[in-house]
Amino acid sequence: TQLLEQSPQFLSIQEGENLTVYCNSSSVFSSLQWYRQEPGEGPVLLVTVVTGGEVKKLKRLTFQFGDARKDSSLHITAAQPGDTGLYLCAGEIWNQAGTALIFGKGTTLSVSS
Amino acid sequence: DADVTQTPRNRITKTGKRIMLECSQTKGHDRMYWYRQDPGLGLQLIYYSFDVKDINKGEISDGYSVSRQAQAKFSLSLESAIPNQTALYFCATSYEQFFGPGTRLTVL
Repeated sequence: TQLLEQSPQFLSIQEGENLTVYCNSSSVFSSLQWYRQEPGEGPVLLVTVVTGGEVKKLKRLTFQFGDARKDSSLHITAAQPGDTGLYLCAGEIWNQAGTALIFGKGTTLSVSS
Repeated sequence: DADVTQTPRNRITKTGKRIMLECSQTKGHDRMYWYRQDPGLGLQLIYYSFDVKDINKGEISDGYSVSRQAQAKFSLSLESAIPNQTALYFCATSYEQFFGPGTRLTVL
């Protein structure tokens, strides 16, 4: 069962455009993380959001955690070719053994100049 | 030097063979994880370990086993590889998930 739905799955835009990637679930998460992955490499953590309604900014990237801690969004302003990559969200859940991360399927972003 | 290393980086093997993928970390983290990544499916958790004596199954543990030989080492084994285990495998450490570079495994 896919607990985290990411949309869109693919996004192809021109340099300078803005975009938003969404991560939605019916489950409540203790925290949510966003990663970026380039071909041939492992994912790299961009940000962790913990509090409902939290907004974090990382240069041109803005991350928001929903008030109910069930959804999150990543907004990129004035996208650049260097933003190209696979963006993954991951929600932390509690289980019998402790905590685990559940990953969304990812959004593949292509920014052309 | 990389903080999380994986060996081998690429491996081609045949159905039925036993394969071991190794992960080492220099960050001193207690938590270590193994994931597989398939195109369009994101990352799926295979096994995770919160310390040397604590091993837990993830979403897709069938067909896999692990060994936590030391705090710094976490190995993933495919006892009898099958073609649908062809994937990119990642090791990660810590709550913040510092990922290794991945192992591309092909089972023929």
